[in-house]
Amino acid sequence: QKEVEQNSGPLSVPEGAIASLNCTYSDRGSQSFFWYRQYSGKSPELIMSIYSNGDKEDGRFTAQLNKASQYVSLLIRDSQPSDSATYLCAVNRVDSNYQLIWGAGTKLIIKP
Amino acid sequence: EAQVTQNPRYLITVTGKKLTVTCSQNMNHEYMSWYRQDPGLGLRQIYYSMNVEVTDKGDVPEGYKVSRKEKRNFPLILESPSPNQTSLYFCASSLYAGREAFFGQGTRLTVV
Repeated sequence: QKEVEQNSGPLSVPEGAIASLNCTYSDRGSQSFFWYRQYSGKSPELIMSIYSNGDKEDGRFTAQLNKASQYVSLLIRDSQPSDSATYLCAVNRVDSNYQLIWGAGTKLIIKP
Repeated sequence: EAQVTQNPRYLITVTGKKLTVTCSQNMNHEYMSWYRQDPGLGLRQIYYSMNVEVTDKGDVPEGYKVSRKEKRNFPLILESPSPNQTSLYFCASSLYAGREAFFGQGTRLTVV
């Protein structure tokens, strides 16, 4: 079992719809959870960070964390073609100096 | 402007010729790290530095060296590059380990 798992996709969503991206993790002690967006050939850029159970909203983005079930998700409302990218989930690993462990990413395609 | 700066952006070199990729951050971050990203393999950590006194191996350290003589700089050294080190490299920094990571622009390295 990978430490951080994401569906590789591609996930195809119509423009204007809600895109839902999921991530599961194995370390029950993890405390920090991040979503990054990465365009092809570019560096990852931080979209959301979440540290406690529940929802956190920032504009069109909502991160949801459920520590009991060990998953974190990202919702993108009113999806735009510019949201087409690979989305990376990162979780800190408590037993290894709090290093970030990265999922392989989900490729999201927003269809006009 | 707060940023992480890597140089060079692109590099083509020959097998065995020592090279250094520089990384500098201006955010007074304690933590810095190096990743490589290959298709289908996601981000893999090469080395990390908790602070100027502590540097440690990541998941794929073979063939690489780093140094952290001052807080802002964290160069990646390939003493004898080989073709299997052809990859996209990212430097990242964060205030502390396990916090939000900010990435440099990336260095695309080709070893022939």
